[in-house]
Amino acid sequence: DTTVKQNPRYKLARVGKPVNLICSQTMNHDTMYWYQKKPNQAPKLLLFYYDKILNREADTFEKFQSSRPNNSFCSLYIGSAGLEYSAMYLCASSRVGYNQAPLFGEGTRLSVL
Amino acid sequence: GEKVEQHESTLSVREGDSAVINCTYTDTASSYFPWYKQEAGKSLHFVIDIRSNVDRKQSQRLIVLLDKKAKRFSLHITATQPEDSAIYFCAPYNTNTGKLTFGDGTVLTVKP
Repeated sequence: DTTVKQNPRYKLARVGKPVNLICSQTMNHDTMYWYQKKPNQAPKLLLFYYDKILNREADTFEKFQSSRPNNSFCSLYIGSAGLEYSAMYLCASSRVGYNQAPLFGEGTRLSVL
Repeated sequence: GEKVEQHESTLSVREGDSAVINCTYTDTASSYFPWYKQEAGKSLHFVIDIRSNVDRKQSQRLIVLLDKKAKRFSLHITATQPEDSAIYFCAPYNTNTGKLTFGDGTVLTVKP
């Protein structure tokens, strides 16, 4: 299977409540990414795992957490959702050093009300 | 950090004409250059890439040109079709850090 799977496809959350998004791949990719995509904006890198090492972007450091319990699975966790978190969340995976474009999942559309 | 700029925010062409989207970047460590396409309401799909050891690559109707000295690469779509209408993103990739940095996107409209 050469796809990146994301669950759920759509998520409705209340302000102040936690949100957990899930991503998986079975291509043995060493790197998994999370991007936030809002309309008319570039995809914004939130964080990525290279193997077991988590790299978080400085400007989103405190807003998002993640875990990667094994090579295939990666989650994105929002502790307390705000209206500004409404966006498409895209997971991608790749094998670093192989000059192959990261492969994206279909995304999770999060709406915070 | 890497700064990526797509010079055309919107582009409209007639079916059958060519479309050119330009992208500049700042990070000299970027060594791999993919392009992605996003159709309405959907995720990002890879369309074509170019590695830093070549300056031209073609895949059917798509051509990518790379000018490393100018830190610029471009996507050429020949013989455009209505289904080419989408948002196109350039995304220079730093193979050392594993980071993919996106441009703001170009909305391409192909009119019948």
